[in-house]
Amino acid sequence: NAGVTQTPKFQVLKTGQSMTLQCAQDMNHEYMSWYRQDPGMGLRLIHYSVGAGITDQGEVPNGYNVSRSTTEDFPLRLLSAAPSQTSVYFCASSYSTGFTDTQYFGPGTRLTVL
Amino acid sequence: LAKTTQPISMDSYEGQEVNITCSHNNIATNDYITWYQQFPSQGPRFIIQGYKTKVTNEVASLFIPADRKSSTLSLPRVSLSDTAVYYCLVGDMYFDQTGANNLFFGTGTRLTVIP
Repeated sequence: NAGVTQTPKFQVLKTGQSMTLQCAQDMNHEYMSWYRQDPGMGLRLIHYSVGAGITDQGEVPNGYNVSRSTTEDFPLRLLSAAPSQTSVYFCASSYSTGFTDTQYFGPGTRLTVL
Repeated sequence: LAKTTQPISMDSYEGQEVNITCSHNNIATNDYITWYQQFPSQGPRFIIQGYKTKVTNEVASLFIPADRKSSTLSLPRVSLSDTAVYYCLVGDMYFDQTGANNLFFGTGTRLTVIP
């Protein structure tokens, strides 16, 4: 199993550009989520999905879109990048939304918006 | 989700035992306690989970007193490679289709192991 994979690892954008951060998992997990982590801060939830075709907003959803067409993939789209979106983005998955289910995190994507 | 409070940072010398305490005064009956570890430039990874008393695995021990209002993560004989941020999380054990059990990581405890 590759676990949770994320691409790209690094990305530099100009203000106003759009892009998609890719996330995939091969563990047949129903629950997937996106977090962002800013320097000196914990992880903040952006969007999550409890299964294919179902998505919902987390704590900081503005400026981001998600979709879940398959169990395996959960891409995060930045519609019009802003410097405030400079951050490290982590994708995670787990078998279900049960708190006791272990969350598996990807290696992260470091995004810089100029 | 129960709110947690933990020290912002801790330093320890190599070979020492490190204890990180997390306070969760409003923990509910169905809540479990979970600890994650995050190395620099990596995503968090699960360390240990418990409900009450003591849990031990190959990485750490988790001590939970009878009132469950706090918990202590114990790392035996730390090495430089244990330098990381440690997060304490509390949440309901039951499956939740709405996603209300989303993990709240907070800022964690930054452990620095000194040679």
